[in-house]
Amino acid sequence: GESVGLHLPTLSVQEGDNSIINCAYSNSASDYFIWYKQESGKGPQFIIDIRSNMDKRQGQRVTVLLNKTVKHLSLQIAATQPGDSAVYFCAENTEAAGNKLTFGGGTRVLVKP
Amino acid sequence: NAGVTQTPKFQVLKTGQSMTLQCAQDMNHEYMSWYRQDPGMGLRLIHYSVGAGITDQGEVPNGYNVSRSTTEDFPLRLLSAAPSQTSVYFCASSYSSQDNQPQHFGDGTRLSIL
Repeated sequence: GESVGLHLPTLSVQEGDNSIINCAYSNSASDYFIWYKQESGKGPQFIIDIRSNMDKRQGQRVTVLLNKTVKHLSLQIAATQPGDSAVYFCAENTEAAGNKLTFGGGTRVLVKP
Repeated sequence: NAGVTQTPKFQVLKTGQSMTLQCAQDMNHEYMSWYRQDPGMGLRLIHYSVGAGITDQGEVPNGYNVSRSTTEDFPLRLLSAAPSQTSVYFCASSYSSQDNQPQHFGDGTRLSIL
């Protein structure tokens, strides 16, 4: 779902630790979910996606988990690196709505050396 | 491929001025869209297009016009700029409008209205 606010929630992580970023969505009809990473001054960059017929999908150092029962999505980053410092957005979509994504408000990840 | 290219990167306008934000993609993508991003918030959909000659409104279309005369280009026009339109504007594209596809974003146009 969409959250509104001037201050982004922030996750501080020690370099080398795992990060978990959470996202709650509101539309039970949503059937496609994407995680984006946005670095300062850049556009959102696609990380990983998952369809509603799956509950887990893995990429390189990232895992997305989907819990449709509680409408919750999470992104796990293994062995967090300084380059992972960014704002992370989840986005949801329903196939019936075409390709119109609804974005969450974002979480800032700060990696401490 | 250059991906999604947005110009200009920065622009300052006075209230009431008009301007066109350019967006071009070289990936032969069918679907293109415009979002605005305000501080501390996610992206909100302004307008989108499922193919050349077809456009439709998103969540926050007021004050903006679009056209899609070619597959590659999807310009966004501000008709009479207002301070509330100060924002960062992102253009995105994806291969298909029929199936769920990840959208690829440009690096944005930072627009200030005085």
